[in-house]
Amino acid sequence: ETGVTQTPRHLVMGMTNKKSLKCEQHLGHNAMYWYKQSAKKPLELMFVYSLEERVENNSVPSRFSPECPNSSHLFLHLHTLQPEDSALYLCASSPATRFTEQFFGPGTRLTVL
Amino acid sequence: TQLLEQSPQFLSIQEGENLTVYCNSSSVFSSLQWYRQEPGEGPVLLVTVVTGGEVKKLKRLTFQFGDARKDSSLHITAAQPGDTGLYLCAGRVLGGGADGLTFGKGTHLIIQP
Repeated sequence: ETGVTQTPRHLVMGMTNKKSLKCEQHLGHNAMYWYKQSAKKPLELMFVYSLEERVENNSVPSRFSPECPNSSHLFLHLHTLQPEDSALYLCASSPATRFTEQFFGPGTRLTVL
Repeated sequence: TQLLEQSPQFLSIQEGENLTVYCNSSSVFSSLQWYRQEPGEGPVLLVTVVTGGEVKKLKRLTFQFGDARKDSSLHITAAQPGDTGLYLCAGRVLGGGADGLTFGKGTHLIIQP
């Protein structure tokens, strides 16, 4: 496989469920990102990891919990979400943080009922 | 207030026509990127502009970075249905501390056959 992959591509969950989103990059990059894309709003940066260390957290509610076990894998653990959390969740990677270009995965379309 | 304002929000034109979309800010950017996103997919990088006044061409697409590095434009010549998608501009504010990119809301472009 090449590029950035995300699973699952679609997820429907209730507000009391716990689920996890997975991202894997095959580009040898050291930085990985989670973004949220909602209708009528620009992409919002959620978390940034550099060499498995979190370097940025943009005031994201604690019901979203990221995990980066190594530089190729990134997870977003979800629990007790709200309907307004329904969105497309995009993972991206870059050779390093502050690198000009980021490479995105296809996203996970999340619906919270 | 949006850091990056994109206009128009929506544009629907006939195949063969020319068009220009804009990305404006009151802030100076060290670099700007343009991405295209198709439904159900993540954004795909088209180009990065770094130098004020820079012009880059990608087949029928021409990208320009403003002299003051506060704005950018994307011009498409003889648009084709395959150009349909959401066009996003993104960048890093000069001297900004963020490791992620700042995105505009995007221009939804539809090219009708």
